[in-house]
Amino acid sequence: EIVLTQSPATLSLSPGERATLSCRASQSVSNFLAWYQQKPGQAPRLLIYDASNRATGIPARFSGSGSGTDFTLTISSLEPEDFAVYYCQQRSSWPPLFGGGTKVEIK
Amino acid sequence: EVQLVQSGAEVKKPGESLKISCKGSGYSFTSYWIAWVRQMPGKGLEWMGIIYPGDSDTRYSPSFQGQVTISVDKSITTAYLQWSSLKASDTAMYYCVRDREPTRHVDTATYYFDYWGQGTLVTVSS
Repeated sequence: EIVLTQSPATLSLSPGERATLSCRASQSVSNFLAWYQQKPGQAPRLLIYDASNRATGIPARFSGSGSGTDFTLTISSLEPEDFAVYYCQQRSSWPPLFGGGTKVEIK
Repeated sequence: EVQLVQSGAEVKKPGESLKISCKGSGYSFTSYWIAWVRQMPGKGLEWMGIIYPGDSDTRYSPSFQGQVTISVDKSITTAYLQWSSLKASDTAMYYCVRDREPTRHVDTATYYFDYWGQGTLVTVSS
């Protein structure tokens, strides 16, 4: 099965800064990758699908890029509500697994 | 408004059985695959399996095959996740989730989940 490795495990930034999160797949997943955001005590929310398409209602400061094995989620300017855990997920092969997550915390 | 509303928290003993539910509303329930996702305390997300409410076609992740049963009652737009004999290691939050697009064929499901239930916390302890 495909393994997704997210880095860094924790990212400490201040509001207004740019966040760059990485997700690396153990083999190519083409562009079949999604990103989710999970805030404490809440269910995850779909942000990005097919590597670069924003889901409905997701602000433009969130963007995704990459293909094959290397993917990036970028938050252009962190808002207070963006401090959360972010997960990538592949759907290229069965089963559709998630990465281990990156926590974006306030510096 | 699309909603997935899950049943409440459960506290059970090892060896007991359990069935939790997820009621969908605000969309064509029988047209979208529904999946279950596990999140153990302080851990990440694990995809368990998926069901098509239109005809109950079900597929499981190898890690969960034989450990749980996913079912659906389309007459009341509700999906279920059940255990016949709980273990302490089943302690987790369980989410039901909806696939992003309607499709009958499992091969054309997107496996991207755009609506999530609020979660059901299952605690198994002696």
